Order: sequence, then structure tokens, then C-alpha cells
Amino acid sequence: SQTIHQWPATLVQPVGSPLSLECTVEGTSNPNLYWYRQAAGRGLQLLFYSVGIGQISSEVPQNLSASRPQDRQFILSSKKLLLSDSGFYLCAWTGSSQETQYFGPGTRLLVL
Amino acid sequence: SQQGEEDPQALSIQEGENATMNCSYKTSINNLQWYRQNSGRGLVHLILIRSNEREKHSGRLRVTLDTSKKSSSLLITASRAADTASYFCATDGNQGGKLIFGQGTELSVKP
Repeated sequence: SQTIHQWPATLVQPVGSPLSLECTVEGTSNPNLYWYRQAAGRGLQLLFYSVGIGQISSEVPQNLSASRPQDRQFILSSKKLLLSDSGFYLCAWTGSSQETQYFGPGTRLLVL
Repeated sequence: SQQGEEDPQALSIQEGENATMNCSYKTSINNLQWYRQNSGRGLVHLILIRSNEREKHSGRLRVTLDTSKKSSSLLITASRAADTASYFCATDGNQGGKLIFGQGTELSVKP
């Protein structure tokens, strides 16, 4: 069966520090991968998606970047965090049907 | 622009009652999905309804889709305290694998 992991689960970082959040998927190959951010009490905002290794599409201009160094690994990064980067970050994947998305447990980021 | 908008934003009911949540969207779709999110957790897929379907059932869930009105509803029958969560609709908007999520309805079921 397929599983999706995210780490860390929570992170508190100072403004201006770098960021690296990791997402990995097991039990499937060539998934589409997605990074979302969710502000408190709000819906999900799609940040990046990837259809293959090294292929990244950015949905909104921002302080963040994404990379896909391996088929089942998706990394969200920042060189210098802003206060506005605080939120709940969710990774998701879809299979060949590209319909249902399966979400990881999320990473809660607090930038102080 | 926001594709899916849920209504109401928050709903509080007693256990055993039915809960109805609505979703409106703006552009044509291939399918519409409903997801559930427990506090502080990831989203879990509940049900998918295709644009050529009008109604779909899954256990205590009933979803309807009206493409002429660009709206969908999610009905949870005989609610339980464990149904307490936020519920999101998501549309594909013909965007090839990308989903657009609404702001969600926060459901509270009191025992």
C-alpha cells in the first residue's frame, strides 16, 4: 500500500533562517507531487506541483522553492524565512489517474 | 480566483442530526471531490463525483452535483461526534491533476 511521509511534524524557526521540508512517498512510482500551504482556519493554497524528477511548476510567486531530486521525494525550501511563511504545509500525491489526492500528515511551521 | 466556496463556514449540530454543506464553483469541471480534515492533520479523501453524475453515496455520505448551477452538496446523515472536522470541496477545473480547494466548512457535532 502507498504511504506518504512528511517531516518534521513541527518546526519553529527565526526570521531569516533557511528552511527544508521533506516529503516522501512509498509504494508507488512516478506520482504527481504537490505542496500546499494552509493558513489557520483557511483553505489550501497550492504552492508547487511536480509531474516528474526535476520538473517543478510554481503556482504563486513567493519566498519558497521546491525540488524533486528523486521520483518519490519532494522538498520545499527557503533561503530566508519570512514571518508570513508561517503555516501548515501539506504534501500530497496522485497516481496515474491524477484525480484523488492523498495527503501527508503535514508540517506546522512557526516563524518568529 | 477561488474555485470552490463552501457554505456555511461553520456548522454546529447535535449527534444524530444530519449535516449539509454546500460548495459552489466557477468554471467547468471534470469532477468534484470532498475531503475531510481533522484538526492539525492532513486531508482525507471522502468521495469523488464526476461531471456526468448527479448523486453519489458512500456509507452515511451523500453527494449531489448540479453542473448547471455549478454547485455541490455533501450530506452526512445520523452524524456522530467523530464526524467533527473541517470539510473541503475541491474541483479540478480542467487543470490536469491540479485541484482547487474551497475555504472549508467547520463541522462540530456535539454528543
